[in-house]
Amino acid sequence: EAGVAQSPRYKIIEKRQSVAFWCNPISGHATLYWYQQILGQGPKLLIQFQNNGVVDDSQLPKDRFSAERLKGVDSTLKIQPAKLEDSAVYLCASSLEEEVDRGHRRGQFFGPGTRLTVL
Amino acid sequence: DQQVKQNSPSLSVQEGRISILNCDYTNSMFDYFLWYKKYPAEGPTFLISISSIKDKNEDGRFTVFLNKSAKHLSLHIVPSQPGDSAVYFCAASTYYNFNKFYFGSGTKLNVKP
Repeated sequence: EAGVAQSPRYKIIEKRQSVAFWCNPISGHATLYWYQQILGQGPKLLIQFQNNGVVDDSQLPKDRFSAERLKGVDSTLKIQPAKLEDSAVYLCASSLEEEVDRGHRRGQFFGPGTRLTVL
Repeated sequence: DQQVKQNSPSLSVQEGRISILNCDYTNSMFDYFLWYKKYPAEGPTFLISISSIKDKNEDGRFTVFLNKSAKHLSLHIVPSQPGDSAVYFCAASTYYNFNKFYFGSGTKLNVKP
C-alpha cells in the first residue's frame, strides 16, 4: 500500500513570499490533516478535512494560511505571505473515516513532511 | 495550552536495558492514547496504543502503561536496541472526536551500543 505523499520535501523562501505544499493521502482515506511541527515541539493540527469538507480549522492562521482539498483526494496548503515564524515541518496525514474497532485505533498515517525555511 | 506533555526532551540508555518514556495529560476527556516513533526526515509512524478501559497494552518489546488517576502514561521498551533511537511522541484523542489527536513535544531516545 502506497503511503502519504508530500511535495516538495524542502523549501526555502524569503519572508513575505508565498509557498504551497501538496499532499496525496492513502487511497480510500476520507480524513486528511495538515500539521505544523516547529523544531522541538510536537505536531500541531492546522486543519482537518473529511472528504472535501473542513472539520476543524480552529488553529489555522486564516489571514495567511489557506488549504483546500479538491474532489476529496489531494490537498494543498498555502502560506501567503510567509513570516519567519512559519519556519517548520509541515506534515500531512490521513486516516480512515471510521475506526471499526476502536480498541485498535492506529491513528493517522503521516507523510514525510515538507521542511520550510523562511529567511 | 498544551494538553499533552512530555517533560523529558531526551533520554539515553544502554543497549539491552529498559527505556521508559513518560507522558502526562490534563484533559480528562481523553480516552485513547498512542505512541508514535519518528526517524529524521520521515513522518511519525504508529507504534502502540491504549484505550482508557485498559491499564496496560503489550506488543513485543513495547508496553504502554496508563494511570488514569494520575493522568500519566509511559512507554517501556525492553530490551532497547540501537534501532530504537528516534523521537517518540505521545498523542491523545477524545471519545467525541477520536480522529483529532493532541501531541506531546516528543522525547529523543538514544540507545547506545
